[in-house]
This record gives sequence, structure tokens and C-alpha cells, in this order.
Amino acid sequence: QQKVQQSPESLIVPEGGMASLNCTSSDRNVDYFWWYRQHSGKSPKMLMSIFSNGEKEEGRFTVHLNKASLHTSLHIRDSQPSDSALYLCAAPSSGSWQLIFGSGTQLTVMP
Amino acid sequence: DMKVTQMPRYLIKRMGENVLLECGQDMSHETMYWYRQDPGLGLQLIYISYDVDSNSEGDIPKGYRVSRKKREHFSLILDSAKTNQTSVYFCASSLQGASAETLYFGSGTRLTVL
Repeated sequence: QQKVQQSPESLIVPEGGMASLNCTSSDRNVDYFWWYRQHSGKSPKMLMSIFSNGEKEEGRFTVHLNKASLHTSLHIRDSQPSDSALYLCAAPSSGSWQLIFGSGTQLTVMP
Repeated sequence: DMKVTQMPRYLIKRMGENVLLECGQDMSHETMYWYRQDPGLGLQLIYISYDVDSNSEGDIPKGYRVSRKKREHFSLILDSAKTNQTSVYFCASSLQGASAETLYFGSGTRLTVL
């Protein structure tokens, strides 16, 4: 069964620092990824998506995609305490239209 | 304002009781989903509904059933709840159901089965 694996499971960075989160799919047919952010006690909300090889930047958030290695990464620069959340990566399921979610990276930004 | 609404937010039931979780959306989305979220397991898809009375099993459908009689409303039913169904349940919707679309999630229902 296809898996989406995220690393690290948890990450602590100081305020103003850079956070780097990783995600890999086991399905060779995957060619795009989603990142969702879930604050404690809240619902997941779409953060960014990436459909093309390379890099996509939105404010302090940058997503990289390497289709050959089935790997995406999310980088948050100048991290803020409000960025503390569970970050979920998702990739399309092989043979269907549905998303498979990873178990997430718990990011804590220390003031 | 686009919204997915879930009721109730918290629910405590005894093992063997029936459970009804309700979800509504005001975006005229065709596709609606039920997920459960457990620590360390991410979001697991229980059921997906492509439209009224057009429902398909997700990855973990055992012990659950769903009902969708109106496009804007999707229910999750647990007949004779079990303790291992204690979890946080999220409803979501998307425009047509393709994985390239954004999922919009409700605020979740925290279910405890004693």
C-alpha cells in the first residue's frame, strides 16, 4: 500500500530560525504534493501545493519538489511562534483520485 | 464565507451505543469525506461521497457507514460503537473530488467511547 512518510516527527526551532520539513511518497507515479497545517485543537488547512519540479515560494514559506526522488520539502524562514503546528504532507493515491496523508511533523517555534 | 460545519464538537458514548456524526457544507461541493485522526497515524480516509447516494469506502470503512441524502449534508454512523473508535473525526469537502483540489475541513468531532 502506498505510503507517505514525513520526517522528522517533531522539530523545535528558535524564533527567527529556519524550519525544514521533509516528505516522501512510496508511489513512483506521484508527481505532486500538498502541505496542510493544523494548529493544536483545530482542523487542517491547506498551506501550499506543488505540481512542478523545482521551487515555489509564498512569503516565508518555500516548497521544493523533486519528482525523480518522489521527495518534497517545506522550508519556513524567520519562523514565528504562530507557525507552531502539525504539518501534514499529502500525495495522490495510485489508481484513485484521493490523497494519502503522512503522519505529520510537529513543529514548535520557541520564543 | 466557505464553511464545513460539524456537529457535535465533543461526544462521549458507551460501548455498544449508536453514534451519529453530522457534517454540512455551504460551498455546493460535489465530494465530501470522513476522516479519522489518531496520534502518529495522520488522517485516515473512512468514506468518500461523490454526490447524493454515491458513496465509496475509503481505507478504513469497517465499523462505519455513511449517508448522503442532500448534497450539502453527509453523516457518519457508528452502529454499536467500540472503544477503538475513540478518535477525532473530520469531515471535509472538495469541489469535484480530484486529488488536485483543495480539501476544506470541518472543525472536527472528538469522540470518546467508554
